[in-house]
Amino acid sequence: DAGVIQSPRHEVTEMGQEVTLRCKPISGHDYLFWYRQTMMRGLELLIYFNNNVPIDDSGMPEDRFSAKMPNASFSTLKIQPSEPRDSAVYFCASQGGGYEQYFGPGTRLTVT
Amino acid sequence: GENVEQHPSTLSVQEGDSAVIKCTYSDSASNYFPWYKQELGKGPQLIIDIRSNVGEKKDQRIAVTLNKTAKHFSLHITETQPEDSAVYFCADARGGSARQLTFGSGTQLTVLP
Repeated sequence: DAGVIQSPRHEVTEMGQEVTLRCKPISGHDYLFWYRQTMMRGLELLIYFNNNVPIDDSGMPEDRFSAKMPNASFSTLKIQPSEPRDSAVYFCASQGGGYEQYFGPGTRLTVT
Repeated sequence: GENVEQHPSTLSVQEGDSAVIKCTYSDSASNYFPWYKQELGKGPQLIIDIRSNVGEKKDQRIAVTLNKTAKHFSLHITETQPEDSAVYFCADARGGSARQLTFGSGTQLTVLP
């Protein structure tokens, strides 16, 4: 299995622009998570899905953030408009029938 | 979980020595405790985990111990090697499905050759 796939790996954008991060979970996993990692706040859970349905989005920082999962093999995290404080590494993770969560390589976002 | 405290924030050991990282949790309902290793530029990788009905678990050079009464758990790495150098995160989760992980702040482990 290729593991969790994220794209792009790096994104540099200007303040005010829309940013879309993409994730392909491990095949057969029915849970998908989006995390954000910063030096100040560490690893934070933003939102997670079960069978493509958002279960808990209480970690989403603002209305500028939105996430979708149109099918079992694809999810997006969108920031519109982006701000410099959104600069971070964003991770996607997936989980199947067990307890283990498997992380993707992350997308490093820089907003200038 | 509610809050997970992790210590130390940095740890340097000589190659071949043991390393111990400790975490304390606050949520008495927590029942799943994974440890992740994160190398530079990569995502966290699950290295070992333990559930609340077990006091200790070992996998080759890595072991985790859990003290539910004191609400703390520890990662032990024996015979450390330079490739063990990374940031290690503990986490906890509650409930039957362990879906929402709360992470500690991380420990930068450096194994000196």
